[in-house]
Amino acid sequence: KQEVTQIPAALSVPEGENLVLNCSFTDSAIYNLQWFRQDPGKGLTSLLLIQSSQREQTSGRLNASLDKSSGRSTLYIAASQPGDSATYLCAVSQGYSTLTFGKGTMLLVSP
Amino acid sequence: DVKVTQSSRYLVKRTGEKVFLECVQDMDHENMFWYRQDPGLGLRLIYFSYDVKMKEKGDIPEGYSVSREKKERFSLILESASTNQTSMYLCASSLGSNNEQFFGPGTRLTVL
Repeated sequence: KQEVTQIPAALSVPEGENLVLNCSFTDSAIYNLQWFRQDPGKGLTSLLLIQSSQREQTSGRLNASLDKSSGRSTLYIAASQPGDSATYLCAVSQGYSTLTFGKGTMLLVSP
Repeated sequence: DVKVTQSSRYLVKRTGEKVFLECVQDMDHENMFWYRQDPGLGLRLIYFSYDVKMKEKGDIPEGYSVSREKKERFSLILESASTNQTSMYLCASSLGSNNEQFFGPGTRLTVL
């Protein structure tokens, strides 16, 4: 059964720092990997989707990479801002469009 | 922009009540999903649907049923609510197989 792990579980950084969030998965037979952001008490906002044939995707200050063979993905956030404070979730798709989620990394960016 | 809406943000019900959670998407998506999210357990898939009147069990379907009579609407039904169904319920939709999923704002359900 697919397992998705996110490290670290929580991260606190000062504003302006570049940071990396990690995601690993046990079964490399995936269709795609998706990164989400969740604010407290709210739903999930899709940030980036990487297809299994891609190595990376970029959106603004966010860059996500995928190494399918090693079962790893990273989310790079450049020049972090207090508004980036949220929980970041990664999820992998293996078929029928269903996703398996990690438990998330809670990010706090201090002014 | 894709919009997924859920009928209630907060809901309080009593044990044994029948509970309906409604989800509507406005982008003609084929697939719709119901998840629950609990501290320490993360998001878990309850049911999903890949077409009208079609449904598939997810990881934790016990105690739940679903209905998809129209393409845009996917309902989650708790036949007899129990306290262990207190949770955040999240609905999502996607265009087709293995496409990006878009989530609604969630319903925080409390069963007393």
